[in-house]
Amino acid sequence: QLQLQESGPGLVKPSETLSLTCTVSGGSISSGRYYWGWIRQPPGKGLEWIATIHYSGTTYYNPSLKSRVTISVDTSKNQFSLKLSSVTAADTAVYYCASAIDNTPFDPWGQGTLVRVSS
Amino acid sequence: DIVMTQSPDSLAVSLGERATINCKSSQSVLYSSNNKNYLAWYQQTPGQPPKLLIYWASTRESRVPDRFSGSGSGTDFTLTISSLQAEDVAVYYCQQYYSSLTFGGGTKVEIK
Repeated sequence: QLQLQESGPGLVKPSETLSLTCTVSGGSISSGRYYWGWIRQPPGKGLEWIATIHYSGTTYYNPSLKSRVTISVDTSKNQFSLKLSSVTAADTAVYYCASAIDNTPFDPWGQGTLVRVSS
Repeated sequence: DIVMTQSPDSLAVSLGERATINCKSSQSVLYSSNNKNYLAWYQQTPGQPPKLLIYWASTRESRVPDRFSGSGSGTDFTLTISSLQAEDVAVYYCQQYYSSLTFGGGTKVEIK
């Protein structure tokens, strides 16, 4: 059974780059049918998709965040990562990683990690 | 972007009664080549990640109780909980995966 776990700093300073990693267990990140994504949720608010990647390197980005986001995959570590640059307080959120098979919705999701942007 | 609008924002239902949540997309999420609606429903309880309940608008995930059902096509969709249980208290989100990915604003379901 696929399991995902987010990791990374819980506090980032304004204007800096937020970096998170998702470790995948119970399956290979190189499985051709899987897509890997990041979604975030500001405290008390709704869900916002950030980006998705296939192990082949194909990427998809939320247009509203595209200029600041990089998603990448490390097959040797069975991990994928998110970088969000020039963060502000508005980027404070719980960040989830998740997987999807082919053209289906994300399932399962990681437990999420809270990232606060503050000086 | 396809905008997803859910209604109501919240609702309170008595135990054992029906709960109905609506979701409207700003454009059709029905893909004509396979006649599938690219619409999913998630359930999120406090402190937990969203859990996928329904995809293709009406296909229930295997572990999901059959009191949950999804319906609709094109731009208008509904999630129905036929007999509300205490464990169904949660926020429910619709999501389209037809073009990019966007979520509705969520509907909070409580016990009356």
